[in-house]
Amino acid sequence: GQQVMQIPQYQHVQEGEDFTTYCNSSTTLSNIQWYKQRPGGHPVFLIQLVKSGEVKKQKRLTFQFGEAKKNSSLHITATQTTDVGTYFCAGRTAGTASKLTFGTGTRLQVTL
Amino acid sequence: GAVVSQHPSRVICKSGTSVKIECRSLDFQATTMFWYRQFPKQSLMLMATSNEGSKATYEQGVEKDKFLINHASLTLSTLTVTSAHPEDSSFYICSAQGQEGYYGYTFGSGTRLTVV
Repeated sequence: GQQVMQIPQYQHVQEGEDFTTYCNSSTTLSNIQWYKQRPGGHPVFLIQLVKSGEVKKQKRLTFQFGEAKKNSSLHITATQTTDVGTYFCAGRTAGTASKLTFGTGTRLQVTL
Repeated sequence: GAVVSQHPSRVICKSGTSVKIECRSLDFQATTMFWYRQFPKQSLMLMATSNEGSKATYEQGVEKDKFLINHASLTLSTLTVTSAHPEDSSFYICSAQGQEGYYGYTFGSGTRLTVV
C-alpha cells in the first residue's frame, strides 16, 4: 500500500534557527496537505499543495511540492517556541476519493 | 470556520466493556467522516471512512465487529469500541472535510481511551 515517510523523525533547534522537514511518498500524489499537531492536541490543517513544483508561503513557513508530485517539504525560517509540535504531511492519490495517508511526522522541539 | 466536536475527551473503562465516542460537525454537514487511531509519538492511522446513510469502509486489518461505526446523520458519526481490551488503549480522532472551497480536514479534539 501507499507509504508516506518523513525525515527527520525528530529535530531539536534553538530559537531563531531554521527547520526543514521532508516528506516522501511511495506513489504519485494528486495533492498533499500539511498539518501541525501540538503536544496533547489534534492535527490542525496548514495548507494544501496541488500543482507540480508548487511553492506556497505562510509568513515564516514555506511549503513546496516536488516536480514529480511524490515529495514535499516544509521549511520554517527563524523558528520560535510557538512552532513546537509535530508536523505531518498527508497525501491523497487519484482514485482514493477523500482518503488521506498521513506521513510518519517530524517532531520539532525549540528551545531558547 | 469548520468545527468538529468530539467527546468524551478522556475515558477509562474496564476490560470487556464497550465505549462510544461521538464526533459532530457543528457548523457544516459532513457526508463523510474519518476515524483515526494514534499511538504515542506516532502518526495517524486511518481506521475507517464513515459515510452518512451507508456502511462504513474499513481499512485493512481493522476489525469491523470490534470498531462499530454509525453515521446516522449529516452531522454525527459515532465509533463504538466493543469488548475493549488494554491493547485498544489509544488516542482516537475523527475528522471531516469542511465546507466547499476549504480543502483541509478539520479534526476533533480526540478521545484518550484507557482500558484497565
